[in-house]
Amino acid sequence: QKEVEQDPGPLSVPEGAIVSLNCTYSNSAFQYFMWYRQYSRKGPELLMYTYSSGNKEDGRFTAQVDKSSKYISLFIRDSQPSDSATYLCAMSQTGANNLFFGTGTRLTVIP
Amino acid sequence: EADIYQTPRYLVIGTGKKITLECSQTMGHDKMYWYQQDPGMELHLIHYSYGVNSTEKGDLSSESTVSRIRTEHFPLTLESARPSHTSQYLCASRTGGSVYEQYFGPGTRLTVT
Repeated sequence: QKEVEQDPGPLSVPEGAIVSLNCTYSNSAFQYFMWYRQYSRKGPELLMYTYSSGNKEDGRFTAQVDKSSKYISLFIRDSQPSDSATYLCAMSQTGANNLFFGTGTRLTVIP
Repeated sequence: EADIYQTPRYLVIGTGKKITLECSQTMGHDKMYWYQQDPGMELHLIHYSYGVNSTEKGDLSSESTVSRIRTEHFPLTLESARPSHTSQYLCASRTGGSVYEQYFGPGTRLTVT
């Protein structure tokens, strides 16, 4: 069983739509939950991180963690063509040396 | 914008050749990583380093080797390239704080024919 499961998509939405991206995980020891964004031919860049459960908002982006369900989400409001990218979830335990990544969801926002 | 560089960006090479993928960062980060990324697959850690003269293998077995002689430089070497080594290789670095904030380079796309 994979540590982190993520629907690879692709996901195509019209500009202005609300986008929901999700990951599930199996390791209950994970405490840090991250979303990275990767544009074509670029390396991933950290978009948001959350420690433990709860919500975190940053502009049009909201990250949610539900540890009881082992489920995390990233919501993008008022999506823009510039949001077109692959979004990777990642997780780690406290004191860990590395991250466990999902496969990434490829998002296209159509003008 | 992160100051982490990888060269070459693209490399096509024949089987049996020795190759070195370069990774440099100007942020003074102690911790550096090499990941392998294939289409539709998650990033897999193949090597990491906590500082000069410190290297460890990651969770994905790899025939590559790494060295860390200088803080800013973390090259990856394949002694004899094979088609199975065809992949995207990503280098990353971070400060001594939490593992979550890793800065990635743009990647090297390696094709072995």
